[in-house]
Amino acid sequence: QVQLQESGPGLVMPSETLSLICSVSGDSITSHSWSWIRQPPGKGLEWIGYISYSGSTNYNPSLKSRVTISEDTSKNQFSLKMSSVTAADTAVYYCAREGGGFGDGTDYWGQGTLVTVSS
Amino acid sequence: SYELTQAPSVSVSPGQTARITCSGDKLGDKYACWYQQKPGQSPVLVIYQDVKRPSGIPERFSGSNSGNTATLTIRGAQTMDEADYYCQAWDNYTAAFGGGTKLTVL
Repeated sequence: QVQLQESGPGLVMPSETLSLICSVSGDSITSHSWSWIRQPPGKGLEWIGYISYSGSTNYNPSLKSRVTISEDTSKNQFSLKMSSVTAADTAVYYCAREGGGFGDGTDYWGQGTLVTVSS
Repeated sequence: SYELTQAPSVSVSPGQTARITCSGDKLGDKYACWYQQKPGQSPVLVIYQDVKRPSGIPERFSGSNSGNTATLTIRGAQTMDEADYYCQAWDNYTAAFGGGTKLTVL
């Protein structure tokens, strides 16, 4: 059974860097691609970016300048860093597994973690 | 960036067929996926590769994709199907979600 668990601060100051970690169990992060997706309160889903099984990354063009996704294969974790945050970055952040090729769907999701940007 | 458009809401009576559409430029040339999200829960994949159902998803859920429109169909909708539904597609190695459709079954 694949499980994902997000962890990190629930409150981030404006202009600072948001940092989250996703811990994966039941699968190796070197066998699939892994995404970060967020959802502002009461709004829809927004794809942030992914890291592939080979370690390559790709990001939402609207966030690309502020986002870095990386991996720690020794811990079977991947992480998200988003710089210069504002209140607009307040959201539930999900880590998730991509099922395979494009179109195979995002088949496993973490429970999500609420990150609030506020002073 | 690639844009997907969904109607904000759809309403049906129990037992009726619900159709939720998603439009995007040449969407039929890409694979569409659909997710169900209930309040306070993480999204669940209900359709992938336009028409395929993951294990555990009821047969009443089906999908199609042609031209500029992908459609999620729920035959014999039940009150438990009341949720937000999101379409998703990939374009140039980036993913896009539709804005979501709230399905009401009552």
